[in-house]
Amino acid sequence: DQQVKQNSPSLSVQEGRISILNCDYTNSMFDYFLWYKKYPAEGPTFLISISSIKDKNEDGRFTVFLNKSAKHLSLHIVPSQPGDSAVYFCAASARFRNDYKLSFGAGTTVTVRA
Amino acid sequence: EAGVTQFPSHSVIEKGQTVTLRCDPISGHDNLYWYRRVMGKEIKFLLHFVKESKQDESGMPNNRFLAERTGGTYSTLKVQPAELEDSGVYFCASSQAGRRSEKLFFGSGTQLSVL
Repeated sequence: DQQVKQNSPSLSVQEGRISILNCDYTNSMFDYFLWYKKYPAEGPTFLISISSIKDKNEDGRFTVFLNKSAKHLSLHIVPSQPGDSAVYFCAASARFRNDYKLSFGAGTTVTVRA
Repeated sequence: EAGVTQFPSHSVIEKGQTVTLRCDPISGHDNLYWYRRVMGKEIKFLLHFVKESKQDESGMPNNRFLAERTGGTYSTLKVQPAELEDSGVYFCASSQAGRRSEKLFFGSGTQLSVL
């Protein structure tokens, strides 16, 4: 069964505006969350992460928010740039169980319009 | 420094044939993972090597899949015999020696098409 869900397969946003990507998870054992970015014909690359002890982590234009009670996280990209056009994967692991393998969502394709 | 290298980038085979995928991790990375993405769905974990030992192979679909990592360097993933549902992109990833981390370095993947 799929434990990490990204219900929006695609997102189109104008350059300079905010992109908001959403992710939901079902496994309450997950305690570490990551976002990966993937360009065509390339492998995913790590973007940003957050531990379950925090509710926000920021790195430049990228901010990840975590709502543990809702089992929901989101990635905000502000401002969006054409180079941000890619597929974004949400991922999770259960570190406290010493389980570091990642469960991924199906991805959200972001298109930034000029 | 070279990244994670996968070969071939594409493979088209007929049902029942055998295919072997290869992964060369980043030098010095003891942790090597195989993942698969089928038909635009989620990326699914297949297995994890620490050096030459299989640490976790809970994601392997069935016994038609065989992964090896002789000598703790490169790894191969063999599918024999291949079935239609094995089509997808197979990603290899590695992480630093002796460190448990989800910040994996991925290869570009092998696109496998079984006809």
